[in-house]
Amino acid sequence: GAGVSQSPSNKVTEKGKDVELRCDPISGHTALYWYRQRLGQGLEFLIYFQGNSAPDKSGLPSDRFSAERTGESVSTLTIQRTQQEDSAVYLCASSSYMNTEAFFGQGTRLTVV
Amino acid sequence: DAKTTQPPSMDCAEGRAANLPCNHSTISGNEYVYWYRQIHSQGPQYIIHGLKNNETNEMASLIITEDRKSSTLILPHATLRDTAVYYCILIGAGSYQLTFGKGTKLSVIP
Repeated sequence: GAGVSQSPSNKVTEKGKDVELRCDPISGHTALYWYRQRLGQGLEFLIYFQGNSAPDKSGLPSDRFSAERTGESVSTLTIQRTQQEDSAVYLCASSSYMNTEAFFGQGTRLTVV
Repeated sequence: DAKTTQPPSMDCAEGRAANLPCNHSTISGNEYVYWYRQIHSQGPQYIIHGLKNNETNEMASLIITEDRKSSTLILPHATLRDTAVYYCILIGAGSYQLTFGKGTKLSVIP
């Protein structure tokens, strides 16, 4: 595709429910990143994939958060038992291997009520 | 751990050049200076990057001082669509994690 695509663009969920956020990176990009941005705050690194392996999961806030990537394509970020503090925009980015000119998607706005 | 320092906000008149400064006095020899921006309600957008030479592309110019301790992003003819938060970040060769600070909120005034 032309750019990084994320779905859904908006998600409202009840506290305690599980959610899955999807990211389709730019074709051929081996590196994929997930970030979180709370309202009015900076970007918070969550996880990085090189291919389908995740050498750095240090940013995941708790064990309720997990992420997978299929080969060098789609990635899903799963949040289990959502809490209100999980409300944020979740951003996905991709880049060529060892090239940190990263291209970001438009994000998924998650609201936990 | 903020390795860069930027003013929190700046104004620029439409059509004028916007000069956004960034201090990075502890920059390492293998670290590149990258600039991204984030327009309201959108994902961050890559602008430009450089190591030690000045760089120019269709969006902006990047001026890096000879000692590499500071840099300036120049938008030559700012438009209202350039209103955004601009982030200056350092990335080591082969590094991957983008650590964004608070950036500079640029407001382009009609």
